[in-house]
Amino acid sequence: GAVVSQHPSWVICKSGTSVKIECRSLDFQATTMFWYRQFPKQSLMLMATSNEGSKATYEQGVEKDKFLINHASLTLSTLTVTSAHPEDSSFYICSASRGVEQYFGPGTRLTVT
Amino acid sequence: AQTVTQSQPEMSVQEAETVTLSCTYDTSENNYYLFWYKQPPSRQMILVIRQEAYKQQNATENRFSVNFQKAAKSFSLKISDSQLGDTAMYFCAFRPITQGGSEKLVFGKGTKLTVNP
Repeated sequence: GAVVSQHPSWVICKSGTSVKIECRSLDFQATTMFWYRQFPKQSLMLMATSNEGSKATYEQGVEKDKFLINHASLTLSTLTVTSAHPEDSSFYICSASRGVEQYFGPGTRLTVT
Repeated sequence: AQTVTQSQPEMSVQEAETVTLSCTYDTSENNYYLFWYKQPPSRQMILVIRQEAYKQQNATENRFSVNFQKAAKSFSLKISDSQLGDTAMYFCAFRPITQGGSEKLVFGKGTKLTVNP
């Protein structure tokens, strides 16, 4: 149990367009989900905490208007990168809380050309 | 603010040998959880082991065990009988236990472990 999926696993988009990444908890309900960004050979950087039915809480330095997070149900959170630029290219990982632990999705590689 | 420090950017070990990864943390909290996560080349984060700070007994999971020293704020991971599949980045993480508080994890920078045949 405790499986988290992400879709898509890899996306390429052109500069100026928007891209949506979905995070789903497949076999449990998650009131809280998290979005991370990971640069090559670095640790995970928390971008925001997503709570079902309420606005996301963004970490300092993360542009909330650029990284739109919606947690519409207990099993789905989405991250939309708006007006993407090459510097937004990165690996994005979501996780969902279940009890004490966080369960992580497989990640989404975003490449902006 | 809590911080997690992993002082070994890279380590290597021979297959079947034992290796210990170090982690120290800084917090003023008394109750918290500590975790070790593994991130193999696939980049899927996998929970290796968890320790509750209020438990004196060190956690073990098969070949993985921890040495938790609360006073020293140290939380090292020992991998016994290393296998090629253990090759991965290992992240130490901290999470405070606060009623109604954040469930955020604080990660260290990671240790890249390579198991050599």
